[in-house]
Amino acid sequence: GAVVSQHPSRVICKSGTSVKIECRSLDFQATTMFWYRQFPKQSLMLMATSNEGSKATYEQGVEKDKFLINHASLTLSTLTVTSAHPEDSSFYICSAGGVQPQHFGDGTRLSIL
Amino acid sequence: TQLLEQSPQFLSIQEGENLTVYCNSSSVFSSLQWYRQEPGEGPVLLVTVVTGGEVKKLKRLTFQFGDARKDSSLHITAAQPGDTGLYLCAGARTSYDKVIFGPGTSLSVIP
Repeated sequence: GAVVSQHPSRVICKSGTSVKIECRSLDFQATTMFWYRQFPKQSLMLMATSNEGSKATYEQGVEKDKFLINHASLTLSTLTVTSAHPEDSSFYICSAGGVQPQHFGDGTRLSIL
Repeated sequence: TQLLEQSPQFLSIQEGENLTVYCNSSSVFSSLQWYRQEPGEGPVLLVTVVTGGEVKKLKRLTFQFGDARKDSSLHITAAQPGDTGLYLCAGARTSYDKVIFGPGTSLSVIP
């Protein structure tokens, strides 16, 4: 069964809306979770490392004010895409499992109209 | 510049054929992982290799880690349509480093 749950699986919304995506580790505690972005037929690009109880670490070129990450508990990390625009449309995936990602969520397809 | 390169980028073969996918880097990795991803889903871990020269088998899939721990290969014997998907290699240079992904190999197995 799934060990990392991601919700929602699909979001369609208007430009300017803020969208929150949740990533939960179901049967283990994760001090670290990872957020990725994936464009069609491309690989996963790490956006940020989410650390429980502290600030997320963002990769170069990722706007921290645009992509807000909160890791308030050992089983939940959230990614909020603020004031989303069409160029933010993508497949967002989280993972958890210690220092190296082992288990991935099923992803969230975000479509901004 | 990609730290991990994969080849080929796309591969379309007939059912029953064999194939090999390569993952290469100029850097040494403490471990490499192979994932398969189907459209609209998250990647699923197939294997982790940690020792140079290591060979692991998973049914019709054979994974090899290069002696210098800079490259890896995935060989599929008698490919089936169910093998269709995006194959990603990923690795970390140290045990505490973030994992990076290769660009992926998109495999289509035609019945």
